[in-house]
Amino acid sequence: AQTVTQSQPEMSVQEAETVTLSCTYDTSESDYYLFWYKQPPSRQMILVIRQEAYKQQNATENRFSVNFQKAAKSFSLKISDSQLGDAAMYFCAYRFNNDMRFGAGTRLTVKP
Amino acid sequence: EPEVTQTPSHQVTQMGQEVILRCVPISNHLYFYWYRQILGQKVEFLVSFYNNEISEKSEIFDDQFSVERPDGSNFTLKIRSTKLEDSAMYFCASSGGGRSTDTQYFGPGTRLTVL
Repeated sequence: AQTVTQSQPEMSVQEAETVTLSCTYDTSESDYYLFWYKQPPSRQMILVIRQEAYKQQNATENRFSVNFQKAAKSFSLKISDSQLGDAAMYFCAYRFNNDMRFGAGTRLTVKP
Repeated sequence: EPEVTQTPSHQVTQMGQEVILRCVPISNHLYFYWYRQILGQKVEFLVSFYNNEISEKSEIFDDQFSVERPDGSNFTLKIRSTKLEDSAMYFCASSGGGRSTDTQYFGPGTRLTVL
């Protein structure tokens, strides 16, 4: 069974600083997809970034980038120049076929 | 930008009642999903739907749940006889066809409260 682990229940970062959220996963598949979703207090799930496992290049979306280590089954999210609006729960997710599994989430606090 | 919509935003019901949660996926998407998130817990996959039938479902998706695409735009989740433990946020998601099935776009969710 595919599992996703986020070992940091809470993280805190100073505004304008950089923070890295960790995620590991367990799978025997070779072609799959990984995602980071942001869930603000409104509880809507907002896609932040995605990574295709067959691509070696790490995905980047503006201030958000990932460090994808396929052999280590690690998929961390780096947020640069943190902003107050980045404060939210962040969920790492793994998708193979139509089944998507989520981690337990990391609550990110941004201090002004 | 196209988005997934869900109604109602909040549903309150009595235990044992039937509820129908509604979703309008992104118009050219072919795959549809329901997830739930009990307060303070992780998001859990319930079911995926493609070509007018269920393609995958989790162990949570038992006989009290059903899904339907009654017309070309709506996608519904029915809970036949609600229990207290069904109280949760329910998210609908959709994705496109081909390689673009990888990315699922979520609706804003329906908060279900069972009393």
